[in-house]
Amino acid sequence: EIVLTQSPGTLSLSPGERATLSCRASQSVSSTYLGWYQQKPGQAPRLLIYGASSRATGIPDRFSGSGSGTDFTLTISRLEPEDFAVYYCQQYDSSPYIFGQGTKLEIK
Amino acid sequence: QVQLVQSGAEVKKPGASVKVSCKTSGYTFTEYYLQWVRQAPGQGLEWMGWIKPNNGDTNYAQKFQGRVTMTRDTSITTAYMELTRVRYDDTAVYYCAVVGTDHWGQGTLVTVSS
Repeated sequence: EIVLTQSPGTLSLSPGERATLSCRASQSVSSTYLGWYQQKPGQAPRLLIYGASSRATGIPDRFSGSGSGTDFTLTISRLEPEDFAVYYCQQYDSSPYIFGQGTKLEIK
Repeated sequence: QVQLVQSGAEVKKPGASVKVSCKTSGYTFTEYYLQWVRQAPGQGLEWMGWIKPNNGDTNYAQKFQGRVTMTRDTSITTAYMELTRVRYDDTAVYYCAVVGTDHWGQGTLVTVSS
């Protein structure tokens, strides 16, 4: 099974700063099947990025995804107050479609 | 628009079974895999498995093998997840979602309590 390891576990930044979140896979994942989700308390996850680098509908262009193979990155260019949340990556290339353990983005 | 509407909250005693439904609309039900994901209080997202609605094929996370059954009724575009022999640590919000999309149900809180 493919294990996704996200880092860091917690990221403390200020609004306006740049955030870089990592998702590393234990085996190669097709970029087509790598997604990033944002989750806020009490809400269902929201898809930000699919296919490793394509923004989902309605997602601001300050969110971008990159990477291939085993290393994927979610970048938020300039943090807005509403961006502080938990972020998960998920691969759906090979079952089981396990999620990463999450990165909590908190206000510094 | 695409909608996934789940059944309401459940309270179960240890050892009981729980069945959660996920009524879908706004897309072709049989064309997309549907997954079930749960989230225990304060924890991350835990993938439970998927069902292929066109033929009912399933794939379950090893952790839930033998306790989970995912089914669907194509006539009413609804998917189901049944978890048997529930334990206290099965207390969680259970979500259905179309794989790889932003289409998620609202979540169903299952509480296991004596």
